[in-house]
Amino acid sequence: SQTIHQWPATLVQPVGSPLSLECTVEGTSNPNLYWYRQAAGRGLQLLFYSVGIGQISSEVPQNLSASRPQDRQFILSSKKLLLSDSGFYLCAWSVQWGSNQPQHFGDGTRLSIL
Amino acid sequence: EDQVTQSPEALRLQEGESSSLNCSYTVSGLRGLFWYRQDPGKGPEFLFTLYSAGEEKEKERLKATLTKKESFLHITAPKPEDSATYLCAVPGGSGGSNYKLTFGKGTLLTVNP
Repeated sequence: SQTIHQWPATLVQPVGSPLSLECTVEGTSNPNLYWYRQAAGRGLQLLFYSVGIGQISSEVPQNLSASRPQDRQFILSSKKLLLSDSGFYLCAWSVQWGSNQPQHFGDGTRLSIL
Repeated sequence: EDQVTQSPEALRLQEGESSSLNCSYTVSGLRGLFWYRQDPGKGPEFLFTLYSAGEEKEKERLKATLTKKESFLHITAPKPEDSATYLCAVPGGSGGSNYKLTFGKGTLLTVNP
């Protein structure tokens, strides 16, 4: 069966510091991968998605970037964090294009910026 | 632009008191509707996919139904462990893909013993 792992679960960072959140998927090949941010009262916002190694699409211009160095690894990064980057970050995967299959989520990273 | 609206925002039930959650949507060509359950501090857990009006899916005390404009999540004789936020989402994007999901803000369900 497929599993998705995100770490760390919780992170507290000072303003201006760098960020690296990692997500890995097991039990499937060539998945679509996604990064979402969930803010209280605002629902889930898609940040980035990827359909293959090195292929990244950005949905919202912001202080963040994403990379996919391996088929089942997705990384969310920032060079300098802002206070507004605080939130709950979720990674998800789905099967590739051509079928309307659901996305499956990890347990998220709670990021607090001080 | 796709829109998903969930109601009520919060619902408090007594154990055994059945009710329904609503998800209304506006999309340019429905390609499915997903229901998720989210526990505090966790990621959303997939429950159901509905693809066409009239379709129904069941899992334990939950039953999801779909019309051309909305979906309902019926909860029969709920238990305290059914307490969670329930989210619905519709796929969007181009080329028939589901790469982008538009989520509602969710309904926070609390079931009291």
